[in-house]
Amino acid sequence: AQSVTQPDIHITVSEGASLELRCNYSYGATPYLFWYVQSPGQGLQLLLKYFSGDTLVQGIKGFEAEFKRSQSSFNLRKPSVHWSDAAEYFCAVGSNNAGNMLTFGGGTRLMVKP
Amino acid sequence: EAGVAQSPRYKIIEKRQSVAFWCNPISGHATLYWYQQILGQGPKLLIQFQNNGVVDDSQLPKDRFSAERLKGVDSTLKIQPAKLEDSAVYLCASSWRDEQFFGPGTRLTVL
Repeated sequence: AQSVTQPDIHITVSEGASLELRCNYSYGATPYLFWYVQSPGQGLQLLLKYFSGDTLVQGIKGFEAEFKRSQSSFNLRKPSVHWSDAAEYFCAVGSNNAGNMLTFGGGTRLMVKP
Repeated sequence: EAGVAQSPRYKIIEKRQSVAFWCNPISGHATLYWYQQILGQGPKLLIQFQNNGVVDDSQLPKDRFSAERLKGVDSTLKIQPAKLEDSAVYLCASSWRDEQFFGPGTRLTVL
């Protein structure tokens, strides 16, 4: 069975600082990996996805993520955080490239200090 | 382009009552999903439809939850009777190709 672990429940960073959110997955085949962001009262928005190819993927809002098969990780990064990035971030693994059967991690809540 | 619509946005009921949620997916999206998101957790898939057929409902508590998608467009999710542990946000999503688009969710509180 597939599973996702986000080790950090809460992270606080200063505005302008760099950010890395951790994600570890367990999946028997080639994983399809996603990062979503959820702002209060809003639905989930896709930041980026990885299916195959280049292991460093670029997403919206200046985010990127790197797939490391040897570490079963798909960490999300941003070089300079803005106050508007404060939200909950979810990593997910999918069973195929249509985004079916998504399994989500528990989420990481990001707080940004001025 | 209009997004996924859900109603109501909030619902408060007492345990053992019944409740229904409605979802209107993005036009043309054949696949529709219902997720349950308990406070402090990630969303958990309850059921997936392809057009008006069920693809997967293995995590749907069928003794109290039911869902339908008549005519392959709108969908309703029902809980009858509700339990305290059903308090959660119920998210609807629809997909086209490789991306799922999520609605704002319905926050259910069971007292």
